[in-house]
Amino acid sequence: DADVTQTPRNRITKTGKRIMLECSQTKGHDRMYWYRQDPGLGLRLIYYSFDVKDINKGEISDGYSVSRQAQAKFSLSLESAIPNQTALYFCATSDWTSSYNEQFFGPGTRLTVL
Amino acid sequence: SQQGEEDPQALSIQEGENATMNCSYKTSINNLQWYRQNSGRGLVHLILIRSNEREKHSGRLRVTLDTSKKSSSLLITASRAADTASYFCATAPNTGNQFYFGTGTSLTVIP
Repeated sequence: DADVTQTPRNRITKTGKRIMLECSQTKGHDRMYWYRQDPGLGLRLIYYSFDVKDINKGEISDGYSVSRQAQAKFSLSLESAIPNQTALYFCATSDWTSSYNEQFFGPGTRLTVL
Repeated sequence: SQQGEEDPQALSIQEGENATMNCSYKTSINNLQWYRQNSGRGLVHLILIRSNEREKHSGRLRVTLDTSKKSSSLLITASRAADTASYFCATAPNTGNQFYFGTGTSLTVIP
């Protein structure tokens, strides 16, 4: 979905390096989410934010941090990357005014930690 | 973990056949949603069913929900090769603000 963009799309890094994944959206949504996807495990929530001053831990937040720089931007950081953080990472947004809570996903960032 | 489970994990059918995939979840929900993911791409929302609904249709999609069994099914009728993708259910619990995604069903439609 072009309304939600993620950079970079692919990244290979080494153990111990600090990595930042960025997400931007033009949908005007308040709510933003970071998920990771591993084969056979589906998507798991890392962090979510309901507005610029709101940050919440998800199911698997250890080893990650986030920053909501603006309504449209939500970044995920790996302070010291480790190999088991190799995964596909997705950013998503949703509109708080919609009782349906449908989520709109970015194209994903494939991260490999060597 | 409150992650749901889907079965089958993989499904292969001929074009024109119907495809059925199931989702089981663990908690009381506000609604349940189905998403589609083409290989290496982001997820796309397909359909939502609320906890007080039992069945919903959208084009070739039919979703059922049985809250007493904590399960849902997605039926794709008259499948096409372009339906080849992974399908995920996601539940929005009554309490809390998180979604919980299932483990996904990989559907292959053979032309």
